[in-house]
Amino acid sequence: AQSVTQLGSHVSVSEGALVLLRCNYSSSVPPYLFWYVQYPNQGLQLLLKYTSAATLVKGINGFEAEFKKSETSFHLTKPSAHMSDAAEYFCAVSDRNAGGTSYGKLTFGQGTILTVHP
Amino acid sequence: DAGITQSPRYKITETGRQVTLMCHQTWSHSYMFWYRQDLGHGLRLIYYSAAADITDKGEVPDGYVVSRSKTENFPLTLESATRSQTSVYFCASQGNEKLFFGSGTQLSVL
Repeated sequence: AQSVTQLGSHVSVSEGALVLLRCNYSSSVPPYLFWYVQYPNQGLQLLLKYTSAATLVKGINGFEAEFKKSETSFHLTKPSAHMSDAAEYFCAVSDRNAGGTSYGKLTFGQGTILTVHP
Repeated sequence: DAGITQSPRYKITETGRQVTLMCHQTWSHSYMFWYRQDLGHGLRLIYYSAAADITDKGEVPDGYVVSRSKTENFPLTLESATRSQTSVYFCASQGNEKLFFGSGTQLSVL
């Protein structure tokens, strides 16, 4: 069974500061890993995903994440926060051996709400 | 317009009533999914479908029924709504190695 833990349900940063959202996973086999973002009253959209050998993954809007197998982590970072980054962020994991559902049959973390102060 | 649309956007119903949430996508994606979002739980998979007439249970399927007679539609039915089914429901389709989500249906069961 797979599981995802996001450390911190709320994170608050100042505009221009580093954003760090933490995600740890549990999986019996090397998984696929995803970060999705949800803006108020909208569906989720993909920020980035890890599916192959490249452990540092770059996504949209200046976000990146590093897969660390030894730490079973996939933390999301952005060097400089912008007001428009305020949203809820979800880390998710899937079974890379699940065939056609490897990108859609996801186990999500509880979410982290990011607040950006002026 | 191309995309994935859900209806209704908001729904209030009473316990014991049948409710159907609609989902329509225009990309002809094979895989479609229903998730529910609850505070403290993130999103949990209810049902998914690999193609027309092929559906399978997810993590929390009890109390729900799905059908997929056409590739573009994937309705979710609550046969006898309970208060514990008050939630935000998201439909998604899979394409380009990612999920495309609808805007959600906020369901309240009184």
